[in-house]
Amino acid sequence: GEDVEQSLFLSVREGDSSVINCTYTDSSSTYLYWYKQEPGAGLQLLTYIFSNMDMKQDQRLTVLLNKKDKHLSLRIADTQTGDSAIYFCAVRGNYGQNFVFGPGTRLSVLP
Amino acid sequence: DAGITQSPRHKVTETGTPVTLRCHQTENHRYMYWYRQDPGHGLRLIHYSYGVKDTDKGEVSDGYSVSRSKTEDFLLTLESATSSQTSVYFCAISQAYDLPMTSTDTQYFGPGTRLTVL
Repeated sequence: GEDVEQSLFLSVREGDSSVINCTYTDSSSTYLYWYKQEPGAGLQLLTYIFSNMDMKQDQRLTVLLNKKDKHLSLRIADTQTGDSAIYFCAVRGNYGQNFVFGPGTRLSVLP
Repeated sequence: DAGITQSPRHKVTETGTPVTLRCHQTENHRYMYWYRQDPGHGLRLIHYSYGVKDTDKGEVSDGYSVSRSKTEDFLLTLESATSSQTSVYFCAISQAYDLPMTSTDTQYFGPGTRLTVL
């Protein structure tokens, strides 16, 4: 089955850019998502990209997709302390509703 | 925010006792899911439902059962709780199954239930 991997921790300084990476194994993954989880809360959809896209930009967020390498990244520009959270990559195919989540990357923003 | 509530939000119980967690939605979405979240594992799917009385197993279904008698409610039951079931449990909902490439349907998550089994 599908396997989704992420590094578990990332620390950046306030004002710098953060890049969170995700790799997946199933080349038929069609929908790719980034979720944010703040302490004590559920997951909140941040952004998404379809497999027929290479890049998507949404304000401070940029998602890059390399289909050949099955690599997805989330760049957060001008990272703020409020961006400190766990970020989950999730993927799913075109047929079938089950999402597969990565283990999450805990982003710590240092002042 | 999508209208999803979970109850209870926190529960402490003893090994061997039955536990039922409730997920309630006001969005009339067809699909509902139960996940557990454990450090280093992300979210793992326990069971899901694709309609009233229609459910199926996920990746980690052993020791859990579910029921869905109404569109808005999805119950997760631990028949005899074990310490390995200590976790945070999330309910999620989504709208559709096969989607066109332009759709942005995704899963919306409840606030979670923290379950501790002593």
